[in-house]
Amino acid sequence: DIQMTQSPSSLSASVGDRVTITCRASQGIRNDLGWYQQKPGKAPKRLIYAASSLQSGVPSRFSGSGSGTEFTLTISSLQPADFATYYCLQHNSYPLTFGGGTKVEIK
Amino acid sequence: QVQLKQWGAGLLKPSETLSLTCAVYGESFSGYYWTWIRQPPGRGLEWIGEINHGGTTNYNPSLKSRVTISVDTSKNQFSLKVSSVTAADTAVYFCARRMATVDYWGQGTLVTVSS
Repeated sequence: DIQMTQSPSSLSASVGDRVTITCRASQGIRNDLGWYQQKPGKAPKRLIYAASSLQSGVPSRFSGSGSGTEFTLTISSLQPADFATYYCLQHNSYPLTFGGGTKVEIK
Repeated sequence: QVQLKQWGAGLLKPSETLSLTCAVYGESFSGYYWTWIRQPPGRGLEWIGEINHGGTTNYNPSLKSRVTISVDTSKNQFSLKVSSVTAADTAVYFCARRMATVDYWGQGTLVTVSS
């Protein structure tokens, strides 16, 4: 199985801060990765696909980068609606695997 | 607009079989993988498995011996069965659509296993 190591597991940040979340794959996965935002009691929402493509309707303050084994989700200026938990998901090989999640909390 | 709506029993006893169904609205059933994902309370997401229009399945090896995913194309529905459940199977179960990454999700169903 491909292990997705996500860091940090949690962070505290203020509105307006730049936030960076990382996922590292245990082996190369090309750009076969998506990023998701989940709020309590809700299904995850896709933000990024193919590692760096912004999902339609998602604010441009979200961006993704990376290829191979290291991937980054960046929120350029954190907004109140962005406090949530974020996950990466690799679909390069079976079984599909998620990162452990990053909880973004208000500082 | 694609919608996935899921249903099934929310309370099971140990050793029973979990059974959930997901209906797909507003989209052709072909060309995608129809996927099940679960999330234990307060924890992360786990991919369970998936099926395509033609019935080809892929399962997580960690659950493969207990999981069956099936499809009813006439109803645009797909289903999940997990046999011999234990407390460790307590989770919110999501159905979802996948072409490459997962894009659309069902609302989730909390399944609790308790004696």
